[in-house]
Amino acid sequence: KNQVEQSPQSLIILEGKNCTLQCNYTVSPFSNLRWYKQDTGRGPVSLTIMTFSENTKSNGRYTATLDADTKQSSLHITASQLSDSASYICVVNTGGFKTIFGAGTRLFVKA
Amino acid sequence: ETGVTQTPRHLVMGMTNKKSLKCEQHLGHNAMYWYKQSAKKPLELMFVYSLEERVENNSVPSRFSPECPNSSHLFLHLHTLQPEDSALYLCASSQTTGVYNEQFFGPGTRLTVL
Repeated sequence: KNQVEQSPQSLIILEGKNCTLQCNYTVSPFSNLRWYKQDTGRGPVSLTIMTFSENTKSNGRYTATLDADTKQSSLHITASQLSDSASYICVVNTGGFKTIFGAGTRLFVKA
Repeated sequence: ETGVTQTPRHLVMGMTNKKSLKCEQHLGHNAMYWYKQSAKKPLELMFVYSLEERVENNSVPSRFSPECPNSSHLFLHLHTLQPEDSALYLCASSQTTGVYNEQFFGPGTRLTVL
């Protein structure tokens, strides 16, 4: 069964600290993996996309990694800011528009 | 207006009501999507339209009826809903349904069924 599992379910960190969010997937076939950020009351916004041959992609303070052998991805946030408080969703594309979404990690950044 | 807009942002309806959700994209995209987002659950794809033709109907109950009159507009008609249909309904669009096309999401309609 195609699944995307994210951990932790929620996370609280202090402003300025780093954190890493995890995504494990059992999806076949695999085309690409995206990380989305979803602010409260807003739709998700794409942060990064990685294909099978890419193992790291950065977008400002966000760095995503992909290990296609172990079917794991992570999203590392550096020097967190209050505006990073949001849900982070891992999404695996299996071809065309067919995507499998994770349930997300809810991140709270405290001052 | 830019991006993807959705109206209304909030909707409360009874189980016998009929209502419609509206989505409009100003990005010149050819594909549009409806998703359901329930608390602490992954987004569920409901419908996909490409060039105004429905290409996916993901086992959605008939009480949800989509309509795509043109490539910029997408509606979700609601009829005889159940309380478990209460959720955030997200609309998205992409240039095409191709594998690398980023989907751009609207802010969603928060639906409560009493």
